[in-house]
This record gives sequence, structure tokens and C-alpha cells, in this order.
Amino acid sequence: KQEVTQIPAALSVPEGENLVLNCSFTDSAIYNLQWFRQDPGKGLTSLLLIQSSQREQTSGRLNASLDKSSGRSTLYIAASQPGDSATYLCAELIKAAGNKLTFGGGTRVLVKP
Amino acid sequence: EPEVTQTPSHQVTQMGQEVILRCVPISNHLYFYWYRQILGQKVEFLVSFYNNEISEKSEIFDDQFSVERPDGSNFTLKIRSTKLEDSAMYFCASKGTSSYEQYFGPGTRLTVT
Repeated sequence: KQEVTQIPAALSVPEGENLVLNCSFTDSAIYNLQWFRQDPGKGLTSLLLIQSSQREQTSGRLNASLDKSSGRSTLYIAASQPGDSATYLCAELIKAAGNKLTFGGGTRVLVKP
Repeated sequence: EPEVTQTPSHQVTQMGQEVILRCVPISNHLYFYWYRQILGQKVEFLVSFYNNEISEKSEIFDDQFSVERPDGSNFTLKIRSTKLEDSAMYFCASKGTSSYEQYFGPGTRLTVT
């Protein structure tokens, strides 16, 4: 059974510090991994999608890495800002599983001014 | 920028009543999904839909649930007889043919009393 885990569940950092968010997955048949941002009571905003053939994907201050062999993905957010405060979710897609996403529980981030 | 929209944003209903949650996917997308998130829990896959039929459904998606694409723009989720445990945020998502990236709507918060 697919399992996606995000540790820690919550993280608090001072403004300007780099954020490192972890995501672990159990299924080595991963096709891609998608990172989302969720603000309280709101929908999911897609941040980055990294395919299994890629090692990294970058967008502005965000960088996502993927290591299939260890079953890990990491989202780096450089020079964090208070506006980065949100919950960050990762989700894996196993192509054989009908293109459904399996989500982790999220990491709730607070960036303190 | 095109986006997925959902209505209503909040629905309150009594146990045993039928509800229909509505979604307008991104216009040129052909793959549609429903997910739900019970308060404090992970986002869970419910159903995927392509070419006017269900591609895959989870064990949550029992006979009380149905999906429909009644016209060229709407995608609906119907719950025939709501239970207290159906209270959750329901997210619609859509995907195009050239990418595996799923785009999510803002969600409908369903409260069953």
C-alpha cells in the first residue's frame, strides 16, 4: 500500500532562514511527485511537479529534489518570508494506480517576522 | 490564468439529504478528479473520470456517491444520503493531456448536521 509521510508536522523559522521540507514515499514505482501549498481553509496550489526521471525542479525561490532510491523528496524554500507561512503537502503519483495522487499529511510552516 | 472553480464554497445539510457539489474544470482538460479532506486528516482520493466514465474509484466512493459531467463544462459529485462522517472539504481537480500536473479548485466545505 502506498504511504506518503511528511516529518515534521510543524515547523517554525525566523524570516530569512532557508526552509527544508521532507517527504518520504514507499512505492519505488513512483511516476512523479507534486508539491502543493495550502493556506488555512483554502484549496491546494500546485508549486512544483518533479518527474521520476528528474532529480530537481526549480521555480523562483523553490527547489524540489527527488531521490527514488531512498524514497525521498525535499522542498527547499530559500530566504523564507512571512508570506510563506502555510501548510505544504507532497503527493505521489503511481501511473499504474490510475493517475490518482496519494498525499502526505503536510508540514505546517510558520515564518516569524 | 485558467483555474478550477467550485460551488458552493460551503454547504450545510442534514443527515440523509442529497447534496450535489459542482466543479468547472479548466476548459481544455479531459481528466477530472474528486478528493476530500476531513478536518485534520490527509487529502484522500475519491474518484477519477475520463471520457465520460469513471477510471478509478477508492473504497470510500461507495454506492452513495456518483459523478457526472452533465454538459461540456461542469463536473459534479453527488452524495445521495449524507452521513455525519461525510463532513469534509471536497476538492475537484483537473488535468490536461500534455502533463501529469493536477490543478485543484478552492474546495467546497460540506457540513452534515
